[in-house]
Amino acid sequence: DAGVTQSPTHLIKTRGQQVTLRCSPKSGHDTVSWYQQALGQGPQFIFQYYEEEERQRGNFPDRFSGHQFPNYSSELNVNALLLGDSALYLCASSVGQGEKLFFGSGTQLSVL
Amino acid sequence: KNEVEQSPQNLTAQEGEFITINCSYSVGISALHWLQQHPGGGIVSLFMLSSGKKKHGRLIATINIQEKHSSLHITASHPRDSAVYICAVGRLIFGTGTLLAVQP
Repeated sequence: DAGVTQSPTHLIKTRGQQVTLRCSPKSGHDTVSWYQQALGQGPQFIFQYYEEEERQRGNFPDRFSGHQFPNYSSELNVNALLLGDSALYLCASSVGQGEKLFFGSGTQLSVL
Repeated sequence: KNEVEQSPQNLTAQEGEFITINCSYSVGISALHWLQQHPGGGIVSLFMLSSGKKKHGRLIATINIQEKHSSLHITASHPRDSAVYICAVGRLIFGTGTLLAVQP
C-alpha cells in the first residue's frame, strides 16, 4: 500500500503563474483534504473533497480551487500566484470524516 | 486569539524524561487529532480522540471535552521523539505546534 502520494515534491513558479498539485489518496480512502503550511506555522485547512465535490472550505480566496476524480485522486489549482503562496502544501486522505488521517509528504511550492 | 492554542511552543527534554504537551481549543468539536511532523514535512497522525484517553506505546493522549483541553504525554522520551507535535480540531483547525527536542 503506497499510502498518500503527492506530486511534484518541489516546484518553483513565478508571480502570476498558475500551478496544479496532485494527490493520490491511500487505497480505500474516499475523502481528500488540502492544507497550506507556511514556514514555522501550523497547517491551514484549504478545502475537503468527497464524492467529487468540495464539501468544506477554509478561509482561502477563489484563486485556490480543486477537483476530485472518480478514482478519488485530487488536484489543487492555484491561479495568479503571489509570493505569499510559497508554502508546503499537504494532502490528507481518510474514509469519510472523523477517521484517522493519512498525510502525504507534501509539495514544497516556491513563488519567486 | 487562535482557536487552537498549544503549550509550550518549544520544549527541550533529556532522554528518559516524561513529557506533556497541552492543547486548548475554543470551538465545539467532534474529535481532536494529535499529529507528529518530522523535519521535511511528513506528518503522521498519532491519535484521534473524542473522549477519554488513548494509549499507543509510549504515547498517551487525553481529552476533557467540558474543559476543551487535551494533553499528549510521552513517557521515557527518546531522541527519535524529536519532532513538531500538532493538535488539530474540527475541520482540522491546527495549532501552531510544539517543537520538541529530546537530547541524549
